[in-house]
Amino acid sequence: QQQVKQSPQSLIVQKGGIPIINCAYENTAFDYFPWYQQFPGKGPALLIAIRPDVSEKKEGRFTISFNKSAKQFSLHIMDSQPGDSATYFCAASRADDKIIFGKGTRLHILP
Amino acid sequence: NAGVTQTPKFQVLKTGQSMTLQCAQDMNHEYMSWYRQDPGMGLRLIHYSVGAGITDQGEVPNGYNVSRSTTEDFPLRLLSAAPSQTSVYFCASSRDRMVTEAFFGQGTRLTVV
Repeated sequence: QQQVKQSPQSLIVQKGGIPIINCAYENTAFDYFPWYQQFPGKGPALLIAIRPDVSEKKEGRFTISFNKSAKQFSLHIMDSQPGDSATYFCAASRADDKIIFGKGTRLHILP
Repeated sequence: NAGVTQTPKFQVLKTGQSMTLQCAQDMNHEYMSWYRQDPGMGLRLIHYSVGAGITDQGEVPNGYNVSRSTTEDFPLRLLSAAPSQTSVYFCASSRDRMVTEAFFGQGTRLTVV
């Protein structure tokens, strides 16, 4: 019940394409769903986050889509660029509890 | 802005040796945590602390000890290193509740031979 399942494990997209990374969760008590971006040799950094009272959130070229009934959420990257190549982690947490991370998606954007 | 600082960046240990990974943050954050990152396994929580003097176990605590004597510092101790502890270790801090943004250090790449 504490798991966050992330797919795909790796993804290759041409520049300008729209990579989509999906996550699913079981615990309906989760109320915070962040995405972290990690470049090689660096620590993860918060990219964008959503709470379950909204179905979509956009920040620049990054969009989270949230489906509460299906217990799924996804990250879309519009007009992807080679600089977006990184590992992306979805995560979930509930009030005053630990963050549960997905296993990560290695994204490579071809120039 | 220093943020979360981890030392060392790289370390090679022999099986059975002990060592301490250092983590310090200058943001006056209450919450600090240690993760290990292994290929295909994502980020797994080792230990965490909700404030000075308070620590608790995460998902994979065996073989590791922590203490939190000050708000700023949260060292991770490997008691007797094993090859299974070869990993990249990240320290993170959060302002208050676990649900707010976590700031990560640059990581320590540890190899146990």
